[in-house]
Amino acid sequence: ELKVEQNPLFLSMQEGKNYTIYCNYSTTSDRLYWYRQDPGKSLESLFVLLSNGAVKQEGRLMASLDTKARLSTLHITAAVHDLSATYFCAVDMWGNTPLVFGKGTRLSVIA
Amino acid sequence: NAGVTQTPKFQVLKTGQSMTLQCAQDMNHNSMYWYRQDPGMGLRLIYYSASEGTTDKGEVPNGYNVSRLNKREFSLRLESAAPSQTSVYFCASSDDTLNTEAFFGQGTRLTVV
Repeated sequence: ELKVEQNPLFLSMQEGKNYTIYCNYSTTSDRLYWYRQDPGKSLESLFVLLSNGAVKQEGRLMASLDTKARLSTLHITAAVHDLSATYFCAVDMWGNTPLVFGKGTRLSVIA
Repeated sequence: NAGVTQTPKFQVLKTGQSMTLQCAQDMNHNSMYWYRQDPGMGLRLIYYSASEGTTDKGEVPNGYNVSRLNKREFSLRLESAAPSQTSVYFCASSDDTLNTEAFFGQGTRLTVV
């Protein structure tokens, strides 16, 4: 059974600081997805990582995937208030199975 | 471009009532999913459909039924609602050609009293 664990689950950051969210998963996969959810809203796709060593960047967010360690990171650079949201990672297994989600990291960026 | 459309957006039910949540996608995706989201639990898969005419159970299927009416539509039915089914329900779809990136509807906030 595929399990996906995120940490931390809650994160309060000061504006301008850097931080990393971690996503570990339990079985072999080389496909990992990051989503963002604003309060009361739906999930928005941020990054799709499809191979070992994949790195993608969008603005102040950078995601990477290490399939050997079964680990993905979401790095936040110089946080701003607009990044406050809940971030989910999700993994699928071979054969286009449904995504299994982590419990999410609720990020709050404070002045 | 509507993407994934869910109806209704909000619903209050009494225990024992039934209802159907509707979902439609206009992206010609093969796979469709129903997830529920509860505080501190992330998203949990209820049912999914890999193609028209097929459905499979997910992690938490008890108390629910689904119908893949055609390629576009995938409905979720609660036959006898229980307070434990109070949740936010998301429908999603994916292409599956290259990967399983899922695109989500706006969600249905359901309260069972």
